[in-house]
Amino acid sequence: GQSLEQPSEVTAVEGAIVQINCTYQTSGFYGLSWYQQHDGGAPTFLSYNALDGLEETGRFSSFLSRSDSYGYLLLQELQMKDSASYFCAVRDPGGYQKVTFGTGTKLQVIP
Amino acid sequence: DVKVTQSSRYLVKRTGEKVFLECVQDMDHENMFWYRQDPGLGLRLIYFSYDVKMKEKGDIPEGYSVSREKKERFSLILESASTNQTSMYLCASKPGGSGPETQYFGPGTRLLVL
Repeated sequence: GQSLEQPSEVTAVEGAIVQINCTYQTSGFYGLSWYQQHDGGAPTFLSYNALDGLEETGRFSSFLSRSDSYGYLLLQELQMKDSASYFCAVRDPGGYQKVTFGTGTKLQVIP
Repeated sequence: DVKVTQSSRYLVKRTGEKVFLECVQDMDHENMFWYRQDPGLGLRLIYFSYDVKMKEKGDIPEGYSVSREKKERFSLILESASTNQTSMYLCASKPGGSGPETQYFGPGTRLLVL
């Protein structure tokens, strides 16, 4: 099966940079995704890494190292609205589109 | 924009009742998913469907069934609701094929079973 580990909580200061790590164990690998979920809201897709390296989308970047089974989400110039839960996810091997999510990291941005 | 809608935002049911949660997507996606979300446990997959009338069990299918008679609609059924099924239920859809693993989520249904 698949398993992903993330820190449960992270606190960071407005304007700073924060990194949310994700390690995974999977019998096959099709890439690592990141989702954001505000309290009471639905998860929304942030980024996807299929290959090693850094993907940048505005203030958010995501990194993947397949050899280390590790990835991270980097949030720069933190804003109060970035306070949310962040989930990493991997697609299961095989022909189906099943995805396994991590348990999520609750990010609190403080003034 | 992709839109995924769920039939109710909040639902209160009694133990033993049959409960139907409906999800509709408007982007002709092949894949649809039902998750439940509980504090500290993340999103856990109940069932998914990769085509009309096709379904596959996820990680926690016990006590649930699903129906996909039309491509745009995916229903989750609790045959006999129990208190441990009190949770947030999230539906998602995703296009088929390769490419970014983008799932589009509905707003969720918060179910309370008394």
